[in-house]
Amino acid sequence: QVQLVQSGAEVKKPGASVKVSCKASGYTFTNYYIHWVRQAPGQGLEWMAIINPSGGITRYAQKFQVRVTMTRDTSTSTVYMELSSLRSEDTAVYYCARGQTGTYYDYWGQGTLVTVSS
Amino acid sequence: DIQMTQSPSSLSASVGDRVTITCRASQSISTYLNWYQQKPGKAPKLLIYAASSLQSGVPSRVSGSGSGTDFTLTISSLQPEDFATYYCQQSFSIPWTFGQGTKVEIK
Repeated sequence: QVQLVQSGAEVKKPGASVKVSCKASGYTFTNYYIHWVRQAPGQGLEWMAIINPSGGITRYAQKFQVRVTMTRDTSTSTVYMELSSLRSEDTAVYYCARGQTGTYYDYWGQGTLVTVSS
Repeated sequence: DIQMTQSPSSLSASVGDRVTITCRASQSISTYLNWYQQKPGKAPKLLIYAASSLQSGVPSRVSGSGSGTDFTLTISSLQPEDFATYYCQQSFSIPWTFGQGTKVEIK
């Protein structure tokens, strides 16, 4: 069965970086795009980035353009999202989700809580 | 970016009620509109895709309609497990944007 399994919760200080992983299984990794979506406490869902695991091409939300980097490792079917220069407003649950262009998110990771606090 | 506006932001309803949530896009998105349900501490769950197609396993009391800029999610007879937050989301263009959510609470 399709699964997206994310890395565990992180606590970071302001100005630090965090790298969250999302390991895919149960399907052909290079056939489906992976997105990152975040949700601040008590807030809605915010799209951050997308990667095509086949060629590694990425696109980022303008808001995160200079701070986010999305990569993938096809040998382990894992996607990574690194967010730098963390601030308190980055405290959120970060989700990876599978979604093809023009379609929908059919599978989600379990979420990774990133807490930014001094 | 395409802005998605949901209404209402919250509603109170009783078991058995008919509930309707609307979503408006800032430009035409054809039928590239999806609906998700989210419960506390959980990832969103796909309910409706392409504006009106029911995701496998989702009960038939849930339905979606609309095209262009105006869309509707309807739950025909609210059940206890339907109390949650609902989000619309457009997949017409990157960035895929979400509505702000509608919280359905027990009256």
